[in-house]
Amino acid sequence: GIQVEQSPPDLILQEGANSTLRCNFSDSVNNLQWFHQNPWGQLINLFYIPSGTKQNGRLSATTVATERYSLLYISSSQTTDSGVYFCAVEWFKGRVLVFGKGTRLSVIA
Amino acid sequence: DAGVIQSPRHEVTEMGQEVTLRCKPISGHNSLFWYRQTMMRGLELLIYFNNNVPIDDSGMPEDRFSAKMPNASFSTLKIQPSEPRDSAVYFCASSPDGLTEAFFGQGTRLTVV
Repeated sequence: GIQVEQSPPDLILQEGANSTLRCNFSDSVNNLQWFHQNPWGQLINLFYIPSGTKQNGRLSATTVATERYSLLYISSSQTTDSGVYFCAVEWFKGRVLVFGKGTRLSVIA
Repeated sequence: DAGVIQSPRHEVTEMGQEVTLRCKPISGHNSLFWYRQTMMRGLELLIYFNNNVPIDDSGMPEDRFSAKMPNASFSTLKIQPSEPRDSAVYFCASSPDGLTEAFFGQGTRLTVV
């Protein structure tokens, strides 16, 4: 099956700092999504981004499908950005999302 | 739209008891997924339905687990008998089809004592 690796596994930031989270995947994908799991456990959709670049406020994402990676940028981080960020891909041989292990982000005031 | 609705939000049960988790997908979505989240294994797919038909149940851990989708607006995941190692958060998700954005419910936190 497909492998999804996220880095770094843990990240601590001072409020206001910027960060880049990375997702590498081992095979071709039809779909890629970024999620934020907040401290209450909710999985919140951030981006549906099989390719290209998208921006939503302080967050943006870029997927380079030919090189099998995606990046999530968080600018001017806030304490509410804390939680776990998951990358999930839909392998071209399947029709379901396979998740990485996540990046745990802690933003300190 | 209210999003994907799961019930109950929390369930505590004794080992050996039957547990039924419920999911209402987003109206108009024809793909439904059940995932389980644990500290050890992360988020893993249990079963995937398309147009109410189970397509991939390779993630169902054993015969104690079963899932049904009797119609487009309802699905259940049943564990019988439950064991302490089944303790986890169970998520239901739906998408318009298998190749577009998936949306997750709030999850059911199951504790088997």
